[in-house]
Amino acid sequence: DAKTTQPPSMDCAEGRAANLPCNHSTISGNEYVYWYRQIHSQGPQYIIHGLKNNETNEMASLIITEDRKSSTLILPHATLRDTAVYYCIVRLLMNYGGATNKLIFGTGTLLAVQP
Amino acid sequence: GAGVSQSPSNKVTEKGKDVELRCDPISGHTALYWYRQSLGQGLEFLIYFQGNSAPDKSGLPSDRFSAERTGGSVSTLTIQRTQQEDSAVYLCASSGRLGSTDTQYFGPGTRLTVL
Repeated sequence: DAKTTQPPSMDCAEGRAANLPCNHSTISGNEYVYWYRQIHSQGPQYIIHGLKNNETNEMASLIITEDRKSSTLILPHATLRDTAVYYCIVRLLMNYGGATNKLIFGTGTLLAVQP
Repeated sequence: GAGVSQSPSNKVTEKGKDVELRCDPISGHTALYWYRQSLGQGLEFLIYFQGNSAPDKSGLPSDRFSAERTGGSVSTLTIQRTQQEDSAVYLCASSGRLGSTDTQYFGPGTRLTVL
């Protein structure tokens, strides 16, 4: 089972920031928070990941609470092309060879960016 | 650089026929994963390869499903005696060197329709 909970859907006005929450209250100390998104009819796209510090890249920012039990993905200026299902996943980071680092997807949040 | 590629992009087959789906991972990636996404369902893990071996086949739904990987690169997922419930998008992902960060990058998927 997925170890995260997300709202099923959210709306955001084009050009505004989209803030997508995720709860992961059972996260363990060596698990990272990963975000992927899936635009209709495409494969999932990696967005960002983090352990406990806030992270930023060209796509988004990731804010993780101090207790690590929740996080927020921020798209600073949402566009219509950001309409997608966003998945928050917790998992081990490193590839340990025999250990499966499979991704366990939940139902995600359908973000609809409105013009 | 080139991402993960999959072929064919679409496959329509008749019930009872065998199908082969191909995945070309990112060059140099040691880990390769197959996932499946059925209509209206989430993504589910099928099998994981590290090099040419498959330490985790726990997600394969039946013995009609098999996969192999040769030369530590290309992988083929084979479904024998296809059934209508096998209709889904089959996604492949690859990730980096053993011991490195294990961010998985997905291909565009193969949409399989079993009539």
